[in-house]
Amino acid sequence: EEQLVESGGGLVQPGGSLRLSCAARGFMFSDYWMAWVRQAPGKGLEWVANINEDGGEQHYVDSVEGRFTISRDNAKNSLYLQMNTLRAEDTALYYCARDRNYFTTTAYYDAFDIWGQGTSVTVSS
Amino acid sequence: AIQMTQFPSSLSASVGDRITITCRASQDIRSDLGWYQHKPGRAPKLLIYGASSLQSGVPSRFRGSGFGTDFTLTISGLQPEDFASYYCLQDSNYPRTFGQGTKVEIK
Repeated sequence: EEQLVESGGGLVQPGGSLRLSCAARGFMFSDYWMAWVRQAPGKGLEWVANINEDGGEQHYVDSVEGRFTISRDNAKNSLYLQMNTLRAEDTALYYCARDRNYFTTTAYYDAFDIWGQGTSVTVSS
Repeated sequence: AIQMTQFPSSLSASVGDRITITCRASQDIRSDLGWYQHKPGRAPKLLIYGASSLQSGVPSRFRGSGFGTDFTLTISGLQPEDFASYYCLQDSNYPRTFGQGTKVEIK
């Protein structure tokens, strides 16, 4: 079964750091882009970052640029999110997701076809 | 960043109803749009990619349409398991952006 399992969430003080992990199982991890998506309490989904197959290309939402770093270890089938200088507004449930390419006869699309259950991050003093 | 305006923010419906959710992009995104279902405490689920292509395993009562800036998700014959929140997501440009979400509740 194709599966993603997040870990590493917890309570951290403002200005602190946390590293999230996402373990991939049941598929060839190194063949796929991967992403982090979060949901703050009572809010909608927000895309945070993604990374290409070999880790050489990353993209971030503006609000985390320079504070968060997405990375991966294909040998360990694992995705990471290093979060520094955390703020109260970073409090959220963080999901990792597989960013799959879909090809049609005329175009290709990206979509998040597999998601983990999420890991909770609370930034509070 | 591309803004995705999704409406309504919530709606009440009955089992068997047909409902429509709309997303409007702030610029042309061709067909680079997906729809996701999200239930509390569960992982989000991909329903539609490429604006109108049904993800494998998703029931055919879910239908996506649109191109450019205006997109819709239609659920025909609402089932009890369809009561959830729904989000659109554009994958045309970075940063990827979701709509604000639509919560579908039981009338």
